[in-house]
Amino acid sequence: DVKVTQSSRYLVKRTGEKVFLECVQDMDHENMFWYRQDPGLGLRLIYFSYDVKMKEKGDIPEGYSVSREKKERFSLILESASTNQTSMYLCASIMEGNQPQHFGDGTRLSIL
Amino acid sequence: GENVEQHPSTLSVQEGDSAVIKCTYSDSASNYFPWYKQELGKRPQLIIDIRSNVGEKKDQRIAVTLNKTAKHFSLHITETQPEDSAVYFCAAINDYKLSFGAGTTVTVRA
Repeated sequence: DVKVTQSSRYLVKRTGEKVFLECVQDMDHENMFWYRQDPGLGLRLIYFSYDVKMKEKGDIPEGYSVSREKKERFSLILESASTNQTSMYLCASIMEGNQPQHFGDGTRLSIL
Repeated sequence: GENVEQHPSTLSVQEGDSAVIKCTYSDSASNYFPWYKQELGKRPQLIIDIRSNVGEKKDQRIAVTLNKTAKHFSLHITETQPEDSAVYFCAAINDYKLSFGAGTTVTVRA
């Protein structure tokens, strides 16, 4: 069974801090994704990566960056955290496009 | 990009009744449509999916229908049970990017 692991379930940071959210998958998947989930808005794609060192912007990339130095790991970076980035962040991975995405447990991030 | 709309946003049904959730999508190139169920505090889990070359798919009490011409697809849950209470998300995939609907909170009343 595919396992997608996010490094933290809960995280509290302060405004202006640089925040790293880590995601690791164990199935050699090519494609990895970062979403944020907010009530009434569903899941919105922040960034995705289709290969090592490759990345593409999703629907809401502003204020975020990503890093994919190794195939199994995809990091989401908040360069200077702001309170409007308080949210649930979900990582997902798939091998190919027309396959179901496998999600991590999510990181609930609070920016104070 | 793809735009997925989902209705209703909340749905309350009596145990044993059916529940229907409807989604529309904008990009005719989308060709894969998964449905996810998310229980409180847990990750979204795939419950059923359908590809664009199929009009209907069923798995026990859950079925999904797809109308490519009208660009809409629906989730049907029959004989609802309390454990069906959750948030359900539809999604459409285009070029391996998933676009999600806003979600439907389903409550099954005992």
